[in-house]
Amino acid sequence: DAGVIQSPRHEVTEMGQEVTLRCKPISGHDYLFWYRQTMMRGLELLIYFNNNVPIDDSGMPEDRFSAKMPNASFSTLKIQPSEPRDSAVYFCASSRSGKGAYEQYFGPGTRLTVT
Amino acid sequence: AQSVTQLDSHVSVSEGTPVLLRCNYSSSYSPSLFWYVQHPNKGLQLLLKYTSAATLVKGINGFEAEFKKSETSFHLTKPSAHMSDAAEYFCVVSGFYGGSQGNLIFGKGTKLSVKP
Repeated sequence: DAGVIQSPRHEVTEMGQEVTLRCKPISGHDYLFWYRQTMMRGLELLIYFNNNVPIDDSGMPEDRFSAKMPNASFSTLKIQPSEPRDSAVYFCASSRSGKGAYEQYFGPGTRLTVT
Repeated sequence: AQSVTQLDSHVSVSEGTPVLLRCNYSSSYSPSLFWYVQHPNKGLQLLLKYTSAATLVKGINGFEAEFKKSETSFHLTKPSAHMSDAAEYFCVVSGFYGGSQGNLIFGKGTKLSVKP
């Protein structure tokens, strides 16, 4: 399996621009998670989906952030308009429900820089 | 509610000496516990997981962790550190909502430095 795929790997944009981050989970996984990692705040859960439905979006910082999962193999995280404080590494992770420990598998991350 | 506390933000060892990274957890349920590793500028990789099958869990790269319910601990150890072990390590507990799968609760991380 290719693992969790994220694109782009790096994104540099100017303040006020729209940014879209993309994620393809591992095939067969029914949970998808979006995280943000910064030096100041560490790793934060933004939102997660089960079977394409958002379950908990309490970590989304504000209305400028939105996430969608139109099908089982694709999700987007959008920031509009972007601000310098959004600069961070954004990770997508997926997991499979059922018996087991529900470990999550992480993508390589998207490093976002907003100038 | 579930929570996890990593007792050291930074641990420094010499190559070839033992590694001990400490983690305490709090959980209302029988927890699933994990250790993840993150090398610089990389994503998070699962090191090992505890699911109540055995209290001593072996992971990749020679790491292991022992679940101690009486101490609510899940410390990560390795007998002999290697330079390539230098990374940040996260202790993680599963967060269950009403018996269904939920998110993972991450500790703040322990940065491991290995001196030659």
